[in-house]
Amino acid sequence: QKEVEQDPGPLSVPEGAIVSLNCTYSNSAFQYFMWYRQYSRKGPELLMYTYSSGNKEDGRFTAQVDKSSKYISLFIRDSQPSDSATYLCAVRGDSSYKLIFGSGTRLLVRP
Amino acid sequence: DTGVSQDPRHKITKRGQNVTFRCDPISEHNRLYWYRQTLGQGPEFLTYFQNEAQLEKSRLLSDRFSAERPKGSFSTLEIQRTEQGDSAMYLCASSFNGELSNQPQHFGDGTRLSIL
Repeated sequence: QKEVEQDPGPLSVPEGAIVSLNCTYSNSAFQYFMWYRQYSRKGPELLMYTYSSGNKEDGRFTAQVDKSSKYISLFIRDSQPSDSATYLCAVRGDSSYKLIFGSGTRLLVRP
Repeated sequence: DTGVSQDPRHKITKRGQNVTFRCDPISEHNRLYWYRQTLGQGPEFLTYFQNEAQLEKSRLLSDRFSAERPKGSFSTLEIQRTEQGDSAMYLCASSFNGELSNQPQHFGDGTRLSIL
C-alpha cells in the first residue's frame, strides 16, 4: 500500500464548476500537508501549505485536512480552463523533511 | 526572487554515459532537495542538504548517484553509467527552515533525462 493514495483521474468538469480533489494517507505521524499544481513539462507549483488539521483558504482554493480520517482535500471554486493541470498532494512528518507525494490527479476544465 | 533554476532542461544520452545536472536554489534558502519523477507518478524523494551537509538519502539513490552542494549554494546531481531505468524528470526544490520557521519547498522545472 502506498503511503499517499490519490485518484489519477482524469477529472473533466465544465468551466465554472466547483472541483473537489482528494487524497488519503496511511501514517498518522504526518503533520504537514501540501497541494501542488503541475503543468505539462513544468515543475510542481505550490498552491496550499497547511499544518495539522483544519481549513485554509486562498482565493479560489480551499484546502481541508481531517487527520482523524487521514483525508485531505482541495476545492477549487469557479474553475477556469487555465486550472487544467495535474494536482499533487504531498505530506511530511516532523522528523523528516522529505515530501511524500500522491501520484497526482489530472484535471481538465472544459470551456 | 528568481525561483529555483535547473540546468539543462533536457538531457539525451546513451546508456552507460555519465550525466550531471545543476540546481541553483532560491537565494538564502538553506535546504535543497532532489526528487525524481516518472510519467504518471508523483515526485519521489532522493536526497536533501542543509547548507553543504547531505542529511538524508533515499534507498532510491544507488551507488551510481552522487549529489553535492559544496558551498551551500548550488547543487549537482551526477549519475554514472546511466541505465534505461534512469530516464525520468529530475526535480530540485529548496526551502528555508530555521528554528522558528518551517517553510514549504519550492520546485524548479526539472531536468528531463532520456536514455537512448
